[in-house]
Amino acid sequence: AQSVTQPDIHITVSEGASLELRCNYSYGATPYLFWYVQSPGQGLQLLLKYFSGDTLVQGIKGFEAEFKRSQSSFNLRKPSVHWSDAAEYFCAVAPSDSNYQLIWGAGTKLIIKP
Amino acid sequence: EAGVVQSPRYKIIEKKQPVAFWCNPISGHNTLYWYLQNLGQGPELLIRYENEEAVDDSQLPKDRFSAERLKGVDSTLKIQPAELGDSAVYLCASSQGTSPSTDTQYFGPGTRLTVL
Repeated sequence: AQSVTQPDIHITVSEGASLELRCNYSYGATPYLFWYVQSPGQGLQLLLKYFSGDTLVQGIKGFEAEFKRSQSSFNLRKPSVHWSDAAEYFCAVAPSDSNYQLIWGAGTKLIIKP
Repeated sequence: EAGVVQSPRYKIIEKKQPVAFWCNPISGHNTLYWYLQNLGQGPELLIRYENEEAVDDSQLPKDRFSAERLKGVDSTLKIQPAELGDSAVYLCASSQGTSPSTDTQYFGPGTRLTVL
């Protein structure tokens, strides 16, 4: 069965510092990969997605993610975080060989220190 | 462009009472999703509609949950009777296409249900 693991329940980063949020998946083939952000009181918003091609994907709000097939990972990065980035971040995967629903990770809560 | 609208935003009820949630998707979006999100977890799909047809309701607890999407636009999710374990956030999302694995899903702010 497919699964998604976000190893860090929460991460604290100083404003202006770099950020990396981890996501690992378990799936036989290369899945479609997504990162969503959930800010307090707001709906989940798509940051970026990977289907194929270049393994480094650029998203909105200055985020990027890199797909590493050998590590079954799709980590989210940002070079310099802002206080407004404080939110919960969810990694999700979907099988590339069938029209099936997204499988979601448990999320990582990002806390920004001033 | 208006986003996905959900109401109410918060609901507190006593166990065994009925409750209903309403969702208005983005105009023109054919696919509508209802998710349940427990604290500290990712969303879990309850039901997916393509227009007015429920194409995936395999994870909807049909003994107490029901949903409808009349006319293929608005949707209502109902729980009757509610149990303590139903306390969660209920999310509605919509997408323009019909592929849950590739189409971008747009989410509403959710309805936070507390069952006492």
